[in-house]
Amino acid sequence: DVKLVESGGGLVKPGESLTLSCSVSGLKFDVAWMNWIRQAPGRGLEWVGRIKSRIDGGERDYNAPVKGRFFISRDDAKKMVYLQMRGLKIEDTAVYYCTTGEYYTDASGRPKTYDYWGRGTLVTVSS
Amino acid sequence: IVLTQSPLSLSVIPGEPATISCRSTQSLLHSKGYNYMDWYLQRPGQSPQLVIFLGSLRASGVPDRFSGYGSGTEFTLKISNVEAEDIGTYYCTQGLQTPRTFGQGTKLEIK
Repeated sequence: DVKLVESGGGLVKPGESLTLSCSVSGLKFDVAWMNWIRQAPGRGLEWVGRIKSRIDGGERDYNAPVKGRFFISRDDAKKMVYLQMRGLKIEDTAVYYCTTGEYYTDASGRPKTYDYWGRGTLVTVSS
Repeated sequence: IVLTQSPLSLSVIPGEPATISCRSTQSLLHSKGYNYMDWYLQRPGQSPQLVIFLGSLRASGVPDRFSGYGSGTEFTLKISNVEAEDIGTYYCTQGLQTPRTFGQGTKLEIK
């Protein structure tokens, strides 16, 4: 079974830093592109950023609201992905989900997908 | 790419159909011939789960009462006979361009 388990959420003050972790099991982590997606209380889903696999270049992309403040990294040996958040703002309050997924084709050429999400970890930024 | 869903809420009698639309500001048709449009259901208190991928393909384990169609900039998710377990918020999302974006969500309730 594939499992993604986030940890590290909590209550922080504006301007402070926090690092979230995501532990992955049950899939070939080193080729997986990993995403962070967040959901503010009572709101919709917002993509935070992504890190590609090392074999695909390891590039990182971020959404505009977090660019320059958040940093995604991965440790393939530990099957972990991290989200370092600094300069936190009240509007960063959200449940943060670690996700992975990909489109691919099977041996018959049919399109397939895998898509996995963790349960999320809550980050609250408040004075 | 901005995705606009309608309606934002829907109340349906069990056994009746439900239709949700998603409009994109740019075509989601990839050069490989697929539309990079997915639909998710987020049940209350749970993480989102994939329902439809590439515009029209049901994810593993999804009942065949769910169907997705459309191309380019206009997409639709249809539930042919709504059941109680279908309640939650449905999101469309595009995976064609970074940043990945989501629609605002459509909350489905049972009458």
